[in-house]
Amino acid sequence: KAGVTQTPRYLIKTRGQQVTLSCSPISGHRSVSWYQQTPGQGLQFLFEYFSETQRNKGNFPGRFSGRQFSNSRSEMNVSTLELGDSALYLCASSTGSTETQYFGPGTRLLVL
Amino acid sequence: GESVGLHLPTLSVQEGDNSIINCAYSNSASDYFIWYKQESGKGPQFIIDIRSNMDKRQGQRVTVLLNKTVKHLSLQIAATQPGDSAVYFCAERGSNYKLTFGKGTLLTVNP
Repeated sequence: KAGVTQTPRYLIKTRGQQVTLSCSPISGHRSVSWYQQTPGQGLQFLFEYFSETQRNKGNFPGRFSGRQFSNSRSEMNVSTLELGDSALYLCASSTGSTETQYFGPGTRLLVL
Repeated sequence: GESVGLHLPTLSVQEGDNSIINCAYSNSASDYFIWYKQESGKGPQFIIDIRSNMDKRQGQRVTVLLNKTVKHLSLQIAATQPGDSAVYFCAERGSNYKLTFGKGTLLTVNP
């Protein structure tokens, strides 16, 4: 099976812009979780989608949003970008009924 | 609240030695734990997991030990190889399938 894929791999934006990141889970996986990884804060949970519904949400402002499509692919959007949003954004998929999450390679976002 | 921390931020070992990476967790209700390995420029890779009803689980060259009394988790890597050099994260599952990750330990294997 192909692994989790994320696009784009790298992105440069300026403050105030918005960005959309995409994640395609492993075939058959219905749960997609998003994480933000920074050197200072480590891996922080953003949200999880299961069967097109947000099942869990972390402690991030409303500028961070996501959605999941019927084919389980997920998108994450960040509006009004801030310098502090520069990070590696990771998505992970699981079957939803098991706990093991498999990660994609991440999208590295740089906000200037 | 839920939190996971690591005792040692860096660990340097000689090739062929055994490595032990430690992790403390604070949520006694966590029922599932995972170790991930993250190499530079890559996403975290699943290594091994353990449920709270177990004390030990073995994989290929890796063993995870869980001590619920002191809320401690460890990852043992046997015969450490240069390819094992990476950052290792422990994660715990609390309520609602949410995973909480530790800060990570950087393992460096010296040839």
